[in-house]
Amino acid sequence: KNQVEQSPQSLIILEGKNCTLQCNYTVSPFSNLRWYKQDTGRGPVSLTIMTFSENTKSNGRYTATLDADTKQSSLHITASQLSDSASYICVVSKPGGGQNFVFGPGTRLSVLP
Amino acid sequence: DAGVIQSPRHEVTEMGQEVTLRCKPISGHNSLFWYRQTMMRGLELLIYFNNNVPIDDSGMPEDRFSAKMPNASFSTLKIQPSEPRDSAVYFCASSLSQGIYEQYFGPGTRLTVT
Repeated sequence: KNQVEQSPQSLIILEGKNCTLQCNYTVSPFSNLRWYKQDTGRGPVSLTIMTFSENTKSNGRYTATLDADTKQSSLHITASQLSDSASYICVVSKPGGGQNFVFGPGTRLSVLP
Repeated sequence: DAGVIQSPRHEVTEMGQEVTLRCKPISGHNSLFWYRQTMMRGLELLIYFNNNVPIDDSGMPEDRFSAKMPNASFSTLKIQPSEPRDSAVYFCASSLSQGIYEQYFGPGTRLTVT
């Protein structure tokens, strides 16, 4: 069954600290993996998109990694800021788009001063 | 660019009424997506269009839901008749094309059906 799991479900850290969010998937065949940030009451914002051949992709303080062999991805946030408080959603796509998107449940991150 | 525009931002309606949600994609984007988000089910893709043509509507929950894209700058999602279980946030997103392109989401429409 095509699934995407994310851990932890929620996380609380202090401002300035680093953190890592995990995404494990069983989706096959694989096309690409996306990380989104969703602030409360807003639409998701794309952070990274990675294909099979990409191991790492950065977007400012956000760095995503992908291990297509173990079907694992991580999102590392460096020097967290209060504005990083949000839900982070992992989405895995099969070739062809459309219903081939499989969404993770998200990780809720709270950054405290 | 104004980004993806959705209206209304909030909609409260009674069960059985017709609801129409509207979306204006980013100019020049050829693909448009309708999503629904609830606490229980998370984000779900309902339907997507490419060049105004519906490509995959297998996520539409039932016949009460319909979507149209009469031109490149406008799309609607209609629910008729609405039911309380349709209460959710509905997002529209657009991208340059199909495939591995970044999707840009609108602010969403929060629908409450009483």
